[in-house]
Amino acid sequence: GQNIDQPTEMTATEGAIVQINCTYQTSGFNGLFWYQQHAGEAPTFLSYNVLDGLEEKGRFSSFLSRSKGYSYLLLKELQMKDSASYLCAVMDSNYQLIWGAGTKLIIKP
Amino acid sequence: NAGVTQTPKFRVLKTGQSMTLLCAQDMNHEYMYWYRQDPGMGLRLIHYSVGEGTTAKGEVPDGYNVSRLKKQNFLLGLESAAPSQTSVYFCASSYSSGRVTGELFFGEGSRLTVL
Repeated sequence: GQNIDQPTEMTATEGAIVQINCTYQTSGFNGLFWYQQHAGEAPTFLSYNVLDGLEEKGRFSSFLSRSKGYSYLLLKELQMKDSASYLCAVMDSNYQLIWGAGTKLIIKP
Repeated sequence: NAGVTQTPKFRVLKTGQSMTLLCAQDMNHEYMYWYRQDPGMGLRLIHYSVGEGTTAKGEVPDGYNVSRLKKQNFLLGLESAAPSQTSVYFCASSYSSGRVTGELFFGEGSRLTVL
């Protein structure tokens, strides 16, 4: 079966750095996506990786290792507004998105 | 620019009642999707459409029907609601080619409770 694993919840301090991991087992691979979802709101697109390596976008970076079935989202200089759930999703061989359950990130002052 | 709009935002139904959720997008996207989101689970695809007049089943289609009569609208119907269909429903749309298919634009969600 297809499976996406990510931690259920993480806590970090304002101004610090946090890494959210995602491991996957899917039927084929056509890219990995990270989305942010604030409580009670819709998910919004953060990043996309299809080749191994690091993609940087401001305070957020996303890393992919296809051979290990592994990705992480790195958030730097944490702000209170970063408190949200972070969803990892993999596009399989049929170009369907398989979603993880999400990681709830709590930022403390 | 409205993006993706869902109606209604909230609804309470009794078991056996029917209802329709409406999704409208103004971005001229080809692909549209209906997902449900339940606590502790990832988004699960109910049905999707790759263009006007076409629909296809997703991961959890039972108990739901859809229609895409116009490119900008995607309707999700529950013919006989069950408590197991209590959930938050998200509509999404995307462009149709390559990687951008995975960049979904979501509506604000519709919270449905079935008693």
